[in-house]
Amino acid sequence: DAKTTQPPSMDCAEGRAANLPCNHSTISGNEYVYWYRQIHSQGPQYIIHGLKNNETNEMASLIITEDRKSSTLILPHATLRDTAVYYCIVRVDQAGTALIFGKGTTLSVSS
Amino acid sequence: DTEVTQTPKHLVMGMTNKKSLKCEQHMGHRAMYWYKQKAKKPPELMFVYSYEKLSINESVPSRFSPECPNSSLLNLHLHALQPEDSALYLCASRPTQGGTYEQYFGPGTRLTVT
Repeated sequence: DAKTTQPPSMDCAEGRAANLPCNHSTISGNEYVYWYRQIHSQGPQYIIHGLKNNETNEMASLIITEDRKSSTLILPHATLRDTAVYYCIVRVDQAGTALIFGKGTTLSVSS
Repeated sequence: DTEVTQTPKHLVMGMTNKKSLKCEQHMGHRAMYWYKQKAKKPPELMFVYSYEKLSINESVPSRFSPECPNSSLLNLHLHALQPEDSALYLCASRPTQGGTYEQYFGPGTRLTVT
């Protein structure tokens, strides 16, 4: 079972910041939070990951709460090309070698 | 080269056919994966290969047969599939050093079973 809860869908205006929440209240101390996205009919694409501290890269920022029970992915200036399904992943399979996907959030960016 | 390639992009096969899907990467990753994705659903893990050995089979029916002939190549052999096996089949790879789980995905093969 997925260990994350995400809203099924969100809308965002082009040029505005998109803030995608994720709840992971049962996260273990050594589990990372990963974000991937999947644009229609393409393979999932890695965005960012973090353990405790906030992280930023050229694509997005990841804000993790101090208790690590939730996180927010921020796309600072959303474009139409950011329309995709966004997956927050905190669990791995039992052998610890693969990502297990939950249902994700469908982000729709409109002009 | 930071790419995972998959061939073919599209495949239509009958229930009595035998076909194979191919996945290739040249990033030196020693962990490779097959996922299955039905429409409007998240990817589901099928198989995991680590150092060319099958380490996880997520209770996948025997009509799906994976093979990892070398560290760059991953195949999925298909035989006697059912229409409900129609899906997007995704291959992924991951570096085995570092301890975190950034996986690189290919574009997928869209399979239709008639």
